[in-house]
Amino acid sequence: AQKITQTQPGMFVQEKEAVTLDCTYDTSDPSYGLFWYKQPSSGEMIFLIYQGSYDQQNATEGRYSLNFQKARKSANLVISASQLGDSAMYFCAMREDTGRRALTFGSGTRLQVQP
Amino acid sequence: DTGVSQNPRHKITKRGQNVTFRCDPISEHNRLYWYRQTLGQGPEFLTYFQNEAQLEKSRLLSDRFSAERPKGSFSTLEIQRTEQGDSAMYLCASSRGNEAFFGQGTRLTVV
Repeated sequence: AQKITQTQPGMFVQEKEAVTLDCTYDTSDPSYGLFWYKQPSSGEMIFLIYQGSYDQQNATEGRYSLNFQKARKSANLVISASQLGDSAMYFCAMREDTGRRALTFGSGTRLQVQP
Repeated sequence: DTGVSQNPRHKITKRGQNVTFRCDPISEHNRLYWYRQTLGQGPEFLTYFQNEAQLEKSRLLSDRFSAERPKGSFSTLEIQRTEQGDSAMYLCASSRGNEAFFGQGTRLTVV
């Protein structure tokens, strides 16, 4: 069963607008972490934001915030004030805290910021 | 530069040849991971080291693949008798706490 689902293959947003990238997950592990990574065309995976399953507050890092809804098993990424440099692939990932602690990634969303 | 370093960045090889990739993690990161990413997909887990011990290998890691981390620092990933289906980006990541930091990857093309 797919553990991370990103239903938006591609998204467009106007520069300076906010955009939400969707992510749902599936796990029976009570302790887990949720991550978002950005992958520009150069290929490097850039860490953006982390949310622990027991964190009470939604994570924020600058223009990035994670809308964590535990009961719905969703971890959407919100990018505020989009910039042209935000154009990239965005991957949601989960790490279950028992076992190997490796990341399981979704299939990604390609975001294009338009001037 | 204190990030994760991978070499080479690009590798073109003929089918049937062996290739080896290197990953230098961030100093003092005890966990090291190898992932493979094909076009249009998210990275897929291959194998994981804690210090020098290889603790898990994915079923994606066939017998032609071997990884080592001899002194708990750098790691190598070797693919023997390469096949066209091995063409992909090979990503290395290291971590100590919650965050995993990735290298820029090695793009392998098997012709």
